[in-house]
Amino acid sequence: DSGVTQTPKHLITATGQRVTLRCSPRSGDLSVYWYQQSLDQGLQFLIQYYNGEERAKGNILERFSAQQFPDLHSELNLSSLELGDSALYFCASSALQGAGELFFGEGSRLTVL
Amino acid sequence: AQSVAQPEDQVNVAEGNPLTVKCTYSVSGNPYLFWYVQYPNRGLQFLLKYITGDNLVKGSYGFEAEFNKSQTSFHLKKPSALVSDSALYFCAVRDASNRMDSSYKLIFGSGTRLLVRP
Repeated sequence: DSGVTQTPKHLITATGQRVTLRCSPRSGDLSVYWYQQSLDQGLQFLIQYYNGEERAKGNILERFSAQQFPDLHSELNLSSLELGDSALYFCASSALQGAGELFFGEGSRLTVL
Repeated sequence: AQSVAQPEDQVNVAEGNPLTVKCTYSVSGNPYLFWYVQYPNRGLQFLLKYITGDNLVKGSYGFEAEFNKSQTSFHLKKPSALVSDSALYFCAVRDASNRMDSSYKLIFGSGTRLLVRP
């Protein structure tokens, strides 16, 4: 168990809808990262937050947004969903003093029908 | 820009034989390199990392990795494979392009599927 908690584990929705994925980092970790894993794109970095502030942005679509709250949990919001958004979405956290290793949650599997 | 490449989509090995999963990297500056394993329907699990020091890094589950600066490689190895090692393996490099210490996202390779046959 990595200590990173993600909910929901599975989500099935329709095109055009909006969903919110939630992540609780390991106790004491200030950084939260979101990654998307799809069959044809591998593991793609979306966005990073550190102590509530956005710190790095990857290939995140404008339809997607995220935030980190004062209690350090994070949410990834996906709107106007398309079939191609079906993927596994991972949250990871890291310690400030660490050498950069990330600790991943079990992921949220999104299926868009 | 930092990047890693995993040239093999799949590696097949017999149980008890040594295994190698290849990774090459491209970074500016000193590399911070990582290996992760992903079992079916699970998240990625950290195996080991190289920051500095000994070129042979030991990690979890009997895995080790050899850092080779001249060949810009960081291959994952295990002396004797187990069927339970069958999984998806990812090499990653820390992206140091943002100088803020609190921003060090990892860039992952495309993954290599390891299949260990009994």
